[in-house]
Amino acid sequence: EPEVTQTPSHQVTQMGQEVILRCVPISNHLYFYWYRQILGQKVEFLVSFYNNEISEKSEIFDDQFSVERPDGSNFTLKIRSTKLEDSAMYFCASSYREANTEAFFGQGTRLTVV
Amino acid sequence: SQQGEEDPQALSIQEGENATMNCSYKTSINNLQWYRQNSGRGLVHLILIRSNEREKHSGRLRVTLDTSKKSSSLLITASRAADTASYFCATAYYGNNRLAFGKGNQVVVIP
Repeated sequence: EPEVTQTPSHQVTQMGQEVILRCVPISNHLYFYWYRQILGQKVEFLVSFYNNEISEKSEIFDDQFSVERPDGSNFTLKIRSTKLEDSAMYFCASSYREANTEAFFGQGTRLTVV
Repeated sequence: SQQGEEDPQALSIQEGENATMNCSYKTSINNLQWYRQNSGRGLVHLILIRSNEREKHSGRLRVTLDTSKKSSSLLITASRAADTASYFCATAYYGNNRLAFGKGNQVVVIP
């Protein structure tokens, strides 16, 4: 069964460092998303991406964040200068149609900023 | 805010019993979805109910939607130990490309 894969599963980084979280969405899907979940809290939307551009972003997704689909397969989330409060589980998701349909989530990358 | 909000419950039930959890939201939706999350793992889509639907079944899952009360319920019948997880509702609104998740209900099924 097709699945969304994310790497790495866990990343520890120093505050102020850049991190890139990687995702391989399901191959025939057209919409891609990043969500995050701070420990014990809600799953929060970060950004959606369609047709090689951001279609929507939340207030969390500030200038420190960027997304890219560099090669038609991978979908990446970059955090330029990490802060302690960026520590969270980051989930990539994809859907065949827009967000108003079933989304398939990866297993997540646990980011720990120290 | 336009977010699904579950009743903040932690359910502990015996295997074979039914588990019910609720979700409310604040503005008109396109659809409402339920997801399951096993501890430390990703979110697994369970079921989607559209705003013009009132009830939907999938295996042992039954979802209802009451748009007049802006609420939904998820019923898991004949629970199994493997149903132990957190369950989230997520709402999708017209005109935007995001899901708004509630806080989740933790369900523990005791064998």
